[in-house]
Amino acid sequence: AQKVTQAQTEISVVEKEDVTLDCVYETRDTTYYLFWYKQPPSGELVFLIRRNSFDEQNEISGRYSWNFQKSTSSFNFTITASQVVDSAVYFCALRIKTGANNLFFGTGTRLTVIP
Amino acid sequence: ETGVTQTPRHLVMGMTNKKSLKCEQHLGHNAMYWYKQSAKKPLELMFVYNFKEQTENNSVPSRFSPECPNSSHLFLHLHTLQPEDSALYLCASSQRGGGLAGDTGELFFGEGSRLTVL
Repeated sequence: AQKVTQAQTEISVVEKEDVTLDCVYETRDTTYYLFWYKQPPSGELVFLIRRNSFDEQNEISGRYSWNFQKSTSSFNFTITASQVVDSAVYFCALRIKTGANNLFFGTGTRLTVIP
Repeated sequence: ETGVTQTPRHLVMGMTNKKSLKCEQHLGHNAMYWYKQSAKKPLELMFVYNFKEQTENNSVPSRFSPECPNSSHLFLHLHTLQPEDSALYLCASSQRGGGLAGDTGELFFGEGSRLTVL
């Protein structure tokens, strides 16, 4: 069975601080995709990144960076120099290659950046 | 503007009402989805349509009835709902669905329809 765990329910940081959102996943499949989505107050989930299981190279995009470690089944997300606009709920998700088309979402981490 | 538009954004209905949620995608995708988002729960997949055909029904009660007349439109018909059905209903689309080769699975979401059942 597939499972995604985001242990941090809520995080508050002061603007300009760095913050890391944790994501741990479970799957027996060897081929899978991992995702991060951002859900601002407006409601829609905004796609941030996709990483496939064969690519453990970390990625940086502006103030965002992702650390994928298969050894610990983790796919953590770091925001550097946080801004108020980063306040949102962030979801980590897992999709396996076989079977039904589905994303397995974590319960989300609510990030509040205090000015 | 996400390319996926949902209406209405907010809906309040009684348990005996019949209402519908509408979703339209302008991205040229051929897979569409309904998700339910309840407080403090993971997003729950409800239905998946590929090329207008339903390919997934995730044990959803029959009081929720989806309709997909074409690849750009998706409806969720609601009838005799319960208060516990109150949630944010999110529509999404993707380029392909069903685990086909080349489908890497990014979904594009609408802003959701906030449903309150009294």
